[in-house]
Amino acid sequence: GQNIDQPTEMTATEGAIVQINCTYQTSGFNGLFWYQQHAGEAPTFLSYNVLDGLEEKGRFSSFLSRSKGYSYLLLKELQMKDSASYLCAPQDNFNKFYFGSGTKLNVKP
Amino acid sequence: AAGVIQSPRHLIKEKRETATLKCYPIPRHDTVYWYQQGPGQDPQFLISFYEKMQSDKGSIPDRFSAQQFSDYHSELNMSSLELGDSALYFCASSLRTSGRVLGGPNYNEQFFGPGTRLTVL
Repeated sequence: GQNIDQPTEMTATEGAIVQINCTYQTSGFNGLFWYQQHAGEAPTFLSYNVLDGLEEKGRFSSFLSRSKGYSYLLLKELQMKDSASYLCAPQDNFNKFYFGSGTKLNVKP
Repeated sequence: AAGVIQSPRHLIKEKRETATLKCYPIPRHDTVYWYQQGPGQDPQFLISFYEKMQSDKGSIPDRFSAQQFSDYHSELNMSSLELGDSALYFCASSLRTSGRVLGGPNYNEQFFGPGTRLTVL
């Protein structure tokens, strides 16, 4: 089966750094995606990791440890527009995504 | 760049009615996925198609059916609608590759459409 665990909600201040953790167990693994989703809108791609280590893309970075079944998304220089849900989505060998329940990030002034 | 198109964007139906949702994938994408997302919930995988054949099935009710046509667009048909079917329905498309390049581009990325909001009254 698939088990994905991430915090339900987090709050951070504008300009700060926040780390959203995700642990997962999947039968087969073909990479892990992070998606951002604003309320009522479609998920949009943020990052992808298939190898262990850190992938950096501007203000967003994502880390993966396959042996630990662990990933995190790091958001720097938080902006108000970063208030959204962040979905951790490991992918199995058949290209199927398993979405976590998402972490709702509230950015306050 | 062309994105995934879904229609309609909003749909209101009565209980026991039927609904058809349409999805037009990104050109040259060969795989289509359907997801259902209830209020405050994560997207739940319903079904996927690769090259017009059903490739995987998730938590899709028997009242729902889907297919992918020769032009790669897909339709999700929902019958005997229930109040609990009210949700956002997302379609996503991707380009599948047979191999895997370590450290390569994220070729398995699913691109999501804007969704269809279905309200069942």
